Amino acid sequence: NAGVTQTPKFQVLKTGQSMTLQCAQDMNHEYMSWYRQDPGMGLRLIHYSVGAGITDQGEVPNGYNVSRSTTEDFPLRLLSAAPSQTSVYFCASSLQGAAGTEAFFGQGTRLTVV
Amino acid sequence: AQSVTQLDSQVPVFEEAPVELRCNYSSSVSVYLFWYVQYPNQGLQLLLKYLSGSTLVKGINGFEAEFNKSQTSFHLRKPSVHISDTAEYFCAVSPPGTGANNLFFGTGTRLTVIP
Repeated sequence: NAGVTQTPKFQVLKTGQSMTLQCAQDMNHEYMSWYRQDPGMGLRLIHYSVGAGITDQGEVPNGYNVSRSTTEDFPLRLLSAAPSQTSVYFCASSLQGAAGTEAFFGQGTRLTVV
Repeated sequence: AQSVTQLDSQVPVFEEAPVELRCNYSSSVSVYLFWYVQYPNQGLQLLLKYLSGSTLVKGINGFEAEFNKSQTSFHLRKPSVHISDTAEYFCAVSPPGTGANNLFFGTGTRLTVIP
């Protein structure tokens, strides 16, 4: 099983550029989410989805868009990259949307904005 | 609102010694509690979780944690660590009843096992 797959693994962007971080899961999970990990700050929730067609904002949604057109995919779009968005991004999924369900994480995308 | 405090950012420990990684939380509602581990250049993996019931929770790789409601703590312990336990450990909480499996993480504790 592939689990949660994130692409690309590394990316360098110039300020103002846009890009999409891809996340796909093959476990038929209802819930998917995006986190960013910054030194000394742990992981913070950007956006999440409890099912196809349903998305909502997390703690730090500004500068990011998401959509969930299929159960498998949950792309994260940076509209106009800023140096403050330099971070490691993790996608996670869980079988159910209910709290307490084990979350499965991808290996991360390391993004640098120059 | 929820917050999670991991009191130690780095913990060095000798191989085969015991270790305790501390986690305290604050929340206006009851929460579920988790410990996740992140090995170098990997995503996070669930070690253990507390939802209800017995306050002593056993997880994978010989780790256990104890929920203490009065002290709002959920400390992680292992009686004898191995080199392979070197990793970053995150404590997290999730409020039930919101309809979403959102996690709120602490800042992490880097455990280094010294041979």
